[in-house]
Amino acid sequence: ETGVTQTPRHLVMGMTNKKSLKCEQHLGHNAMYWYKQSAKKPLELMFVYSLEERVENNSVPSRFSPECPNSSHLFLHLHTLQPEDSALYLCASSQDVAGGYNEQFFGPGTRLTVL
Amino acid sequence: GQNIDQPTEMTATEGAIVQINCTYQTSGFNGLFWYQQHAGEAPTFLSYNVLDGLEEKGRFSSFLSRSKGYSYLLLKELQMKDSASYLCAVMDSNYQLIWGAGTKLIIKP
Repeated sequence: ETGVTQTPRHLVMGMTNKKSLKCEQHLGHNAMYWYKQSAKKPLELMFVYSLEERVENNSVPSRFSPECPNSSHLFLHLHTLQPEDSALYLCASSQDVAGGYNEQFFGPGTRLTVL
Repeated sequence: GQNIDQPTEMTATEGAIVQINCTYQTSGFNGLFWYQQHAGEAPTFLSYNVLDGLEEKGRFSSFLSRSKGYSYLLLKELQMKDSASYLCAVMDSNYQLIWGAGTKLIIKP
């Protein structure tokens, strides 16, 4: 595997379900990110981790719970979601959190549908 | 607040040139990125500008004017595979990327 991988690629869940999204980066990066992408809207940064420590939490509802067990893996645990949470969830990584030229590498995303 | 503006959609003809504009208002500036995103795929990095001027990379060029809060992405010799969304993002003083909503580029034969 190379780059950033995400599983599952598609997920349909009911509002009472609990599910988890998984992201793995094979680039040796120190920073990992979760983004939400809704149609015709800017990417919304949800969480940022640097060396497994959360450094950013942009007022995300508690029904989204991130976990970063090591610098290569990032999870997003989902529970009691709402239909408006349906979106593409993108994981990204970069060498570090700070620094000017800090290109982010994205995974293919998980297309989430909440019924 | 912080804001990135870019056109929602543009149409161009195969073989032609197209310019996608991006204007921004952010808290500080640590560089501007352009990403390409094909439908159903991950965004991929195209360019990075931190100083004023033009950066050329093959058929793609990116321009920055920090005093005007303005950038553009120039695509030459358009090919059908260039049909995609183009995302403009600015890194603010906290090194956080602020994203535009993207410009959907449609290429016609």
